Amino acid sequence: KAGVTQTPRYLIKTRGQQVTLSCSPISGHRSVSWYQQTPGQGLQFLFEYFSETQRNKGNFPGRFSGRQFSNSRSEMNVSTLELGDSALYLCASTRTSGTPEQFFGPGTRLTVL
Amino acid sequence: EDQVTQSPEALRLQEGESSSLNCSYTVSGLRGLFWYRQDPGKGPEFLFTLYSAGEEKEKERLKATLTKKESFLHITAPKPEDSATYLCAVREGNEKLTFGTGTRLTIIP
Repeated sequence: KAGVTQTPRYLIKTRGQQVTLSCSPISGHRSVSWYQQTPGQGLQFLFEYFSETQRNKGNFPGRFSGRQFSNSRSEMNVSTLELGDSALYLCASTRTSGTPEQFFGPGTRLTVL
Repeated sequence: EDQVTQSPEALRLQEGESSSLNCSYTVSGLRGLFWYRQDPGKGPEFLFTLYSAGEEKEKERLKATLTKKESFLHITAPKPEDSATYLCAVREGNEKLTFGTGTRLTIIP
């Protein structure tokens, strides 16, 4: 069974640009969560989508947004990039919302110059 | 605000030297405590879920235990391949996961 896939794996952008990251969950999984991981803050929850609806949202500014498609694939978008947005962005999927075990993808490493 | 604190931040052990990692938490309405392992450049890999005080789970050289305020990840006779960052997370009432900053474990051959 294929795991969670994320594209691209690495990305370099400059301040002020916007970026879109993609996540394909494990087949049959309908819930997708996004996290930002930095050395200083650790893993921080961004948002969760289930059946194309946002169910939970973390404490991030509105520049961070996401969506989920009918095939459960999800995208997250960051507009007006700042240097502090440099991080590893992780996507995790679960079969249903509230299912305890989350399965993570390898992440997208975003560098903002 | 709910908090998850892991200690120590880093731990170096000789191969075969057993030890424990700590995860303390302050949440209202705990709906699960989770342990993950993360290797450099990879996403976290799920290890255990614990739900109630007194519960224990085991997998190979790892055993996780839970009390009302903390969880321990015991590592027995570790091998170099056990080197990784171990993350603890708690699920609160609204089902959001809150992670600790992890313990970076190094096992020296």
